[in-house]
Amino acid sequence: EDKVVQSPLSLVVHEGDTVTLNCSYEVTNFRSLLWYKQEKKAPTFLFMLTSSGIEKKSGRLSSILDKKELSSILNITATQTGDSAIYLCAVGTNTGGFKTIFGAGTRLFVKA
Amino acid sequence: DAGVIQSPRHEVTEMGQEVTLRCKPISGHDYLFWYRQTMMRGLELLIYFNNNVPIDDSGMPEDRFSAKMPNASFSTLKIQPSEPRDSAVYFCASRNSGRGDTQYFGPGTRLTVL
Repeated sequence: EDKVVQSPLSLVVHEGDTVTLNCSYEVTNFRSLLWYKQEKKAPTFLFMLTSSGIEKKSGRLSSILDKKELSSILNITATQTGDSAIYLCAVGTNTGGFKTIFGAGTRLFVKA
Repeated sequence: DAGVIQSPRHEVTEMGQEVTLRCKPISGHDYLFWYRQTMMRGLELLIYFNNNVPIDDSGMPEDRFSAKMPNASFSTLKIQPSEPRDSAVYFCASRNSGRGDTQYFGPGTRLTVL
């Protein structure tokens, strides 16, 4: 059965800290890995990763995929209170067309 | 550009009633997804369509749930009869396969079944 596992499930840090969120997957016909940020409403897109070892960066956020280890990390440097959210990892597969499997998410709380 | 539109935003109903959730995807997107999110189970994919055709409905919890996409700009998710355990936030998302795998989510419908 396809699955996506995120760790930790929750994390509390202080402003200015650097955090690393983990995502591992076991799927057939891997296609892509996506990171989303969810605050009080709908998830919003952060990154899509398809190639191993290539870092994607957006401001203080960066992410990289390791296809050999079947995993990805999301780094946030110099955290701010506005980074408090649930971070969701999702894997797209080519099973039966196109399918997305979401992890349970990591709930990040940044203290001022 | 307008994003994904969902209605209603909130729905409170009584057990046994029929509930219909609506979604208008982003124009030009060829994939549409229905998700359910609860604290206990997280985000779950219920069903998705490609070019208005249902591709995978294996996530639909039971026969009380049904989804349709009569045209490229409209989809419905129906629950009949509704039960308290159906209470959740239901998201619709759409994707343009010509522009990668990113899914764009609507604001969600918060359903409460009493």
